[in-house]
Amino acid sequence: DTEVTQTPKHLVMGMTNKKSLKCEQHMGHRAMYWYKQKAKKPPELMFVYSYEKLSINESVPSRFSPECPNSSLLNLHLHALQPEDSALYLCASSPGIPPMYEQYFGPGTRLTVT
Amino acid sequence: QQQVKQSPQSLIVQKGGISIINCAYENTAFDYFPWYQQFPGKGPALLIAIRPDVSEKKEGRFTISFNKSAKQFSLHIMDSQPGDSATYFCAAVTTSGTYKYIFGTGTRLKVLA
Repeated sequence: DTEVTQTPKHLVMGMTNKKSLKCEQHMGHRAMYWYKQKAKKPPELMFVYSYEKLSINESVPSRFSPECPNSSLLNLHLHALQPEDSALYLCASSPGIPPMYEQYFGPGTRLTVT
Repeated sequence: QQQVKQSPQSLIVQKGGISIINCAYENTAFDYFPWYQQFPGKGPALLIAIRPDVSEKKEGRFTISFNKSAKQFSLHIMDSQPGDSATYFCAAVTTSGTYKYIFGTGTRLKVLA
């Protein structure tokens, strides 16, 4: 299995809602990443988990809360988001750090905040 | 200093032609340079990557040329095909010290049949 899966594919939420994005990989990779991508822009790194521990937080607002319950699963909990948080949220994984290893990206979750 | 400048923003090439996309960086701490291809509605997929101790790397129709002194690298797509139409991102990565994975601004390539 060489896939990174993400659910849901699309999500619409209000500014007072709480929702979660889910990412899963079964390639035995030990590093997992969350990226945010706005339309016609490059992906921006948000968080890196290495061996199930948060190793990098790129100064992301606390309304985004990552969680890595096990080595195959990565969640992103969302609360009190703003309309400007609407974007494609991409999950990726790699065999480990250092990052000369390829990052495998999922298809993303298209998030719309109303 | 953490930026990666990518050009052109968009590119139209005839089928069978050569597509060339350029990237430039400033931070000499970057030591890994991948290129990604992204189709609409999909996540980016790694095409090819290079480290600064190599000046050129070729994989099939895709070639990276790297100029360390100029801090520039480029992607050449030979015999471009309509199926290559996608957005291409270069990236620059630091593998020691503070971890940084910086993407270029992207190039939308369209290959005409």
